[in-house]
Amino acid sequence: GIQVEQSPPDLILQEGANSTLRCNFSDSVNNLQWFHQNPWGQLINLFYIPSGTKQNGRLSATTVATERYSLLYISSSQTTDSGVYFCAVLTNAGNMLTFGGGTRLMVKP
Amino acid sequence: DGGITQSPKYLFRKEGQNVTLSCEQNLNHDAMYWYRQDPGQGLRLIYYSQIVNDFQKGDIAEGYSVSREKKESFPLTVTSAQKNPTAFYLCASSKTGGGDEQYFGPGTRLTVT
Repeated sequence: GIQVEQSPPDLILQEGANSTLRCNFSDSVNNLQWFHQNPWGQLINLFYIPSGTKQNGRLSATTVATERYSLLYISSSQTTDSGVYFCAVLTNAGNMLTFGGGTRLMVKP
Repeated sequence: DGGITQSPKYLFRKEGQNVTLSCEQNLNHDAMYWYRQDPGQGLRLIYYSQIVNDFQKGDIAEGYSVSREKKESFPLTVTSAQKNPTAFYLCASSKTGGGDEQYFGPGTRLTVT
């Protein structure tokens, strides 16, 4: 099956700093989603981005499908950005999302 | 409010007992999914259903069962055959079963002792 790898696994930032999270995948995809899992476990949809670039406030994402990676940018980080960020992909042949291992982000005040 | 609800939020059971987790959605989505998350890990698919009265196994279906009698509801039963049932269970739905965006419920934390 498809492999999804996220980096870095852990990240500590000072409030106000910028960061880039990466997601590499091993096969062609027709769905790629970024999620933020808050401390209570809720998965919050950030982006649905199988290709191209999208922006939502301080967050933006870019997927380069031909090179099989996606990037999530967080600018001017806030303590409320803390949590785990997951990338998940769905292949052209499949019906299930395959999740990466996540990036655990801690933003310090 | 449109969304996905899961109940209960926390569930405790003794080993050997079956337990059913509830998932309801009012988004008029055709497809629904059950995922399992273990501590420090990503999510893994247990079962999914693209239409009423139809469902397919995911990567880790052993020890679980589901039903899809109504479009809005997709309950998951964790049976006594599931060797390590303690986990966080998340339900999701999407408009169709293809590459549509999936949305998640708040989850149920199951502890079996």
